[in-house]
Amino acid sequence: KAGVTQTPRYLIKTRGQQVTLSCSPISGHRSVSWYQQTPGQGLQFLFEYFSETQRNKGNFPGRFSGRQFSNSRSEMNVSTLELGDSALYLCASRRDGTSTDTQYFGPGTRLTVL
Amino acid sequence: DQQVKQNSPSLSVQEGRISILNCDYTNSMFDYFLWYKKYPAEGPTFLISISSIKDKNEDGRFTVFLNKSAKHLSLHIVPSQPGDSAVYFCAARAYSGAGSYQLTFGKGTKLSVIP
Repeated sequence: KAGVTQTPRYLIKTRGQQVTLSCSPISGHRSVSWYQQTPGQGLQFLFEYFSETQRNKGNFPGRFSGRQFSNSRSEMNVSTLELGDSALYLCASRRDGTSTDTQYFGPGTRLTVL
Repeated sequence: DQQVKQNSPSLSVQEGRISILNCDYTNSMFDYFLWYKKYPAEGPTFLISISSIKDKNEDGRFTVFLNKSAKHLSLHIVPSQPGDSAVYFCAARAYSGAGSYQLTFGKGTKLSVIP
């Protein structure tokens, strides 16, 4: 079974630009969550999508948004990039987010904002 | 307010000895706890978990202990191997509504196993 894939793996942008990251979950998984990992903050939850609807949201500004398509693939968008947005962005999928689910992570997209 | 805390950013252990990674939490609504391991340039991978109704779960060289009264859990690795060198994240789960459970992660502990 193929794992969670994320594209691109590396990205360099400048302040003020916007960026879109993509995540393809494991086949059959309908829940996709996004996390931001920085050295000082660990993994911070951004949001979760399930069946094309945002189900949960973390404490991030509105510049961070996402969506999920009917095939469960998800995209995350960050507008008006700031230097502090430089981080590893991780996507994780699980079957449906219920109590017996295990979350599987992709390799991440390393975003550098200059 | 950090609900899951891993107070040791790093830990060095000799090969063959025991590694003990600690995690504290504050939210009484957490009902399930997990440990993830992360190598550089890879996403975290699930290692072991424990339900809040248990106090111990074992899987090979890995054992997780939960002390609910102290809101503390620990991961023991015995014996430690160089391949265990990675960042270990503690995570706690709580019901977040709409039939969904959400994970809260600690900041991680970097384990170095010295040959």
